Amino acid sequence: QLQLQESGPGLVKPSETLSLTCTVSGGSVSSYRYYWGWVRQAPGKGLEWIGSIYASGRTYYNPSLKSRVTISVDASKNQFSLKLSSMTAADTAVYYCARHTDTSMVHFDYWGQGTLVTVSS
Amino acid sequence: QSALTQEASVSGTVGQKVTLSCIGNSKNIGTYAVGWYQQTSHGAPKTVMFGDSLPSGIPDRFSGSKSGTTASLTISGLQPEDEADYYCSTWDYSLSAMVLGGGTRLTVL
Repeated sequence: QLQLQESGPGLVKPSETLSLTCTVSGGSVSSYRYYWGWVRQAPGKGLEWIGSIYASGRTYYNPSLKSRVTISVDASKNQFSLKLSSMTAADTAVYYCARHTDTSMVHFDYWGQGTLVTVSS
Repeated sequence: QSALTQEASVSGTVGQKVTLSCIGNSKNIGTYAVGWYQQTSHGAPKTVMFGDSLPSGIPDRFSGSKSGTTASLTISGLQPEDEADYYCSTWDYSLSAMVLGGGTRLTVL
């Protein structure tokens, strides 16, 4: 059974860069059958796609966040990571990592539990 | 403003059939399959439908369909545990981005 687990700081200061990691077990980020993605949910709001990455390193980002987002993959650790720069209070959210069902990036099949990130000084 | 439009809220009684809709356009739902996610209060999203496929462990009272630029998730025989927020997703080729609906809160009366 595929499992994804997010890790990273729960508190980030304004203007700093958020770094989160998603550790995958029961599957491989090196598989060329899937994309892997990040989604966030601000308090009381809906889901927002942040971006996704392929085993080759090819990435797609939400146009509204593109200038601040970097997603990378580390096959040796079976992880993929998210960096979001210039954090503000508006970036306070639960951040989820997930696996796309295939290479179309149309939908996800497996999700992590999520990690709450609060932006505050 | 979400790229995909969903009803803000839908309600039904136990045993009833309810249908949630997800409205897009030719650049997204009109071209690609749709995924549906269930999120109970304070929990992570769970996939309940992707394309025409039901994930393992999801009861077959859930079904999905698509007509033109509108996708639908139907729950036949509504159960109390189905009360949750439901989101739809697909890809938009004009944006080169995954797009999500704003979510529908399903209440089981």
